[in-house]
Amino acid sequence: SQQGEEDPQALSIQEGENATMNCSYKTSINNLQWYRQNSGRGLVHLILIRSNEREKHSGRLRVTLDTSKKSSSLLITASRAADTASYFCATVEYNNNDMRFGAGTRLTVKP
Amino acid sequence: ETGVTQTPRHLVMGMTNKKSLKCEQHLGHNAMYWYKQSAKKPLELMFVYNFKEQTENNSVPSRFSPECPNSSHLFLHLHTLQPEDSALYLCASSQGQDYSNQPQHFGDGTRLSIL
Repeated sequence: SQQGEEDPQALSIQEGENATMNCSYKTSINNLQWYRQNSGRGLVHLILIRSNEREKHSGRLRVTLDTSKKSSSLLITASRAADTASYFCATVEYNNNDMRFGAGTRLTVKP
Repeated sequence: ETGVTQTPRHLVMGMTNKKSLKCEQHLGHNAMYWYKQSAKKPLELMFVYNFKEQTENNSVPSRFSPECPNSSHLFLHLHTLQPEDSALYLCASSQGQDYSNQPQHFGDGTRLSIL
């Protein structure tokens, strides 16, 4: 069953702009992960943020987690055409080892 | 190259056929997973193996039968599938005893079409 829900479902921006994607979830979590999927390929792990963390960075990526609002955001700064992909959040529930994915945000970065 | 290799990349089969999907990881991981990705639906976890033992089976129909002979290999045996089973089947692996707190590494999937 689905846990995270990404918002928006689709996002189209110009190269150089920032892209923000949001994820909301319903239950208490152990950690939340963001993945990227290029068309016809598998998922690639981007960032894992634990429930006791509020923000993590990796290169041009910034992830925030607000457990009181049960939400997370992924910010991609200075986007590039190569960032065009689908982005998924996945949550691992507290006391449950299963990872549940959302339906994803389709990001298009126009050159 | 993700370190997780899935074969075949594409498979077309009739509803009465028997086929197998193969996954191999070269990352030294202990946990392996099968997921189903259908169009416009979230990724669905099917099976989890940790140290060759099945730890999760998310109410998957018996026409899907997993096999994990060792920590590096995972199979999904298929028989008498239905048209709604057409999807991208993804294999993943992760490290450690506490595998749910580790990132997962995915293969590029097998695109399965049921005629």
